[in-house]
Formats: sequence, structure tokens, C-alpha cells
Amino acid sequence: DGGITQSPKYLFRKEGQNVTLSCEQNLNHDAMYWYRQDPGQGLRLIYYSQIVNDFQKGDIAEGYSVSREKKESFPLTVTSAQKNPTAFYLCASSIATGGRTQYFGPGTRLTVL
Amino acid sequence: QQQVKQSPQSLIVQKGGISIINCAYENTAFDYFPWYQQFPGKGPALLIAIRPDVSEKKEGRFTISFNKSAKQFSLHIMDSQPGDSATYFCAASDSDQAGTALIFGKGTTLSVSS
Repeated sequence: DGGITQSPKYLFRKEGQNVTLSCEQNLNHDAMYWYRQDPGQGLRLIYYSQIVNDFQKGDIAEGYSVSREKKESFPLTVTSAQKNPTAFYLCASSIATGGRTQYFGPGTRLTVL
Repeated sequence: QQQVKQSPQSLIVQKGGISIINCAYENTAFDYFPWYQQFPGKGPALLIAIRPDVSEKKEGRFTISFNKSAKQFSLHIMDSQPGDSATYFCAASDSDQAGTALIFGKGTTLSVSS
């Protein structure tokens, strides 16, 4: 089955710790994205990548970092610099950026204890 | 300039009724307008999308109406069913601008009562 997988589904972190969220796709898509979802805030773009070894900051990149070493993988690290990291994180991919359908993963719910 | 404004924030409709969600945009370069549907605890999924060369697109009970001059587009759900209860997001992008991502509205939570 083609699709996007995110792991883990639930993640708990202590304050001051960095944590990495996994996102893998087997759709052979060039573009990948990370969004943060909070109640009433919609989907806010954290980072996106058009191609391997290239990525751009989105609207709320502060306190986050990404890498894109392989086409199918786009991990997101939530650093201790992110002041309010508790949220639902969604990864997506598309054939290319711009006006293309984005396919979303099932999400990771991160809770900071 | 880059915002997509969505309303209402929440909507309650009786079974069999029509649900209407509206979005407005400012950037006249936008040329792709999708709607996504999200169930609780799941990722959003594309529901229907439209490009500005048509004023309406229908897929089953779901219809997008597009008004280019007013820079508005809307989602109509006919014969709304309890299974339609979800959060709906509109979005927009400029296909010709390389390196751009979709810009999403803040979402509308739809509840269809039986």
C-alpha cells in the first residue's frame, strides 16, 4: 500500500528534551511538509522540502529543525527551544509544491509533561 | 496577502440539510483551491478541488462554488449525513510559483445531528 507513515502515534516528552518525529512516504513524491495543528488554529506550516537536501522554513519554524537526506524520509525534531510544543503534528507529501494534492499521514500527538 | 479566511468556525446542521462553508482569499495569483476533510485523530484527506477556469465543481453530494471576481469559494454539502461530521479546511496556492505550499484556512467543525 502506498502512503505516508508517521511514528510514533503518541509521544510524551519532558521539558528541556529534544524529540524527533518520524515521517516516511512510499509515494515517490518529491515534496514533503510538516504542519502543526492546534485547536482553532488550523494547519500551520513548520517546514517543507521540495527535493532531497533542500528545505524551507514555513510560518512557525522557530524551535524546530528538519533534514531531508532521503526522498522518502523527512524527520522533524522538536527542540527544547520550542516554548509550547504540545500539539498534533502532521506530515504530508505531494508530487511537487504549488497546486498539487497533498497526502497526509495519520499524525503524531506530542505532549510535553 | 497570503491568508485564506474561512467561516464559520463551527456549524451544526440537521441530517438531510445543506452545509455551507465559505472561504475568501486576497492573492489574485492563487489558482488552485482544494477542500480537505479531517476526522478526529486522523490526517486530513482531499475532498474536492477546483481551479478558476470553472465556477462550479460537483462530486456526489459535495460542490465547490467559485467566484473569481469576489475572490471567494465555498463548499456545499447536500443531504448532510452524520458521517459528514468532521473538520473541513479550505486551502489555496499559486501553481506557477515554485516552492510554494498550500495555505490553509483555520477550519470549520461540522456536526450533523441525526
